[in-house]
Amino acid sequence: KQEVTQIPAALSVPEGENLVLNCSFTDSAIYNLQWFRQDPGKGLTSLLLIQSSQREQTSGRLNASLDKSSGRSTLYIAASQPGDSATYLCAVNNNAGNMLTFGGGTRLMVKP
Amino acid sequence: NAGVTQTPKFQVLKTGQSMTLQCAQDMNHNSMYWYRQDPGMGLRLIYYSASEGTTDKGEVPNGYNVSRLNKREFSLRLESAAPSQTSVYFCASSLDRAYEKLFFGSGTQLSVL
Repeated sequence: KQEVTQIPAALSVPEGENLVLNCSFTDSAIYNLQWFRQDPGKGLTSLLLIQSSQREQTSGRLNASLDKSSGRSTLYIAASQPGDSATYLCAVNNNAGNMLTFGGGTRLMVKP
Repeated sequence: NAGVTQTPKFQVLKTGQSMTLQCAQDMNHNSMYWYRQDPGMGLRLIYYSASEGTTDKGEVPNGYNVSRLNKREFSLRLESAAPSQTSVYFCASSLDRAYEKLFFGSGTQLSVL
């Protein structure tokens, strides 16, 4: 059974720092991986989707990388801002089906 | 652009009561999903509908039923609510499959006393 882990569970950084969020998964035979953002009391917003054949995806200040063989993905946030404060979750799809396995999330706080 | 709309936003039930959570999407998506989010457990799939007229069980279907009323609407029903069903429920949709970009509703906070 696929298990997805995100460490750390919480992270606090000063504004302007570059930071990396980690996601690891136990079954490397994934189809793709998504990174989501969740604001308090809100639903999830998909940030980046990386196919298994890709190494990375970029959107603005966000860059997600994928290393299938080691079962890891990272979300890099450049020049962090207070507006980036949220919980970030990763989720993997194993067989191009309808099941996503989610990590527990990293709660990020960017202090002004 | 509404996206995925869920109602209600908050609900308190007594044990044994029933209720239906409503979800509608206006993006002409084929697939729709119901998730629950619990502290320490992450998001878990309850049921999904790959297309209009079909529904399938997810990871935690016990105690729930669903109806894909039409392409836009996918409802989740609790027939006899239990305290273990206290959770935040999210509806989501994707164009075809979960391996595509998922769009989520804003959630329903449900408490069962």
